[in-house]
Amino acid sequence: GAGVSQSPSNKVTEKGKDVELRCDPISGHTALYWYRQSLGQGLEFLIYFQGNSAPDKSGLPSDRFSAERTGGSVSTLTIQRTQQEDSAVYLCASSPRSGGLAHEQYFGPGTRLTVT
Amino acid sequence: RKEVEQDPGPFNVPEGATVAFNCTYSNSASQSFFWYRQDCRKEPKLLMSVYSSGNEDGRFTAQLNRASQYISLLIRDSKLSDSATYLCVVFHGSSNTGKLIFGQGTTLQVKP
Repeated sequence: GAGVSQSPSNKVTEKGKDVELRCDPISGHTALYWYRQSLGQGLEFLIYFQGNSAPDKSGLPSDRFSAERTGGSVSTLTIQRTQQEDSAVYLCASSPRSGGLAHEQYFGPGTRLTVT
Repeated sequence: RKEVEQDPGPFNVPEGATVAFNCTYSNSASQSFFWYRQDCRKEPKLLMSVYSSGNEDGRFTAQLNRASQYISLLIRDSKLSDSATYLCVVFHGSSNTGKLIFGQGTTLQVKP
C-alpha cells in the first residue's frame, strides 16, 4: 500500500518568507509526528498529533512554527518568517497505534528546506 | 546532556566482521526501546525493538540493561548492505500521548 508522502520534496526559499510543508500519512494511522533533521544531526521532535486529542507541541522551537492536521489525516507544517537556521530536512511519520504502543513509526521521504 | 547518547562513529569494519553499538539514555521512566536504521539521505526505518530479555533477528541482536540505562546492538557477519546510520530510540509518555526520542546515530561503513 501507499506509504507516507510529503511535499514538496525540496523547497528553497528566501529568508523572511513563509513556507508550508505537507504530509499525507498512511491511511488509517491515528498518530502523526513531525521531526526535523539538520545535516549530520539526529532527529529533533517537533509536534505530535493523536486522533482528536490536543497536539503535543512541546518540540516546536519557536512561535514561528505551527502545524495543523485536518480531518485526522493530512497535516501541514507552517514556518513563518523563515530563518537560515530553519534549513533542514523535515520528516513526517505516522503510526497505526497510540500511546505506549506508538513506536512503530513509518517515515515519509522528507522535505529538504533550504533558506537562503 | 542529551537524553539519548550514542557514539557517532564512524565504525569502519571489513565484511564478515562483528560490530557492536552502544547507547545510553537518561530518563529512567523510558518505557520502550528500539533501533532504527537510516540510509544516506533516506528516511529512518524501524530495524528492531529491544526487550529486557534480549532479542535476536537473524544477524542482529539487541540487548537492554534497564539498571544501567544502556542499550546495545550487535551485528554479526557484516554485509556491505549493512552500511548505514543506526539510531537508538527510546519512547516515554502517558497512555494518551508519547514520543520517540532519537539518538544522534552511529554510522557504520562495511568495507569489502
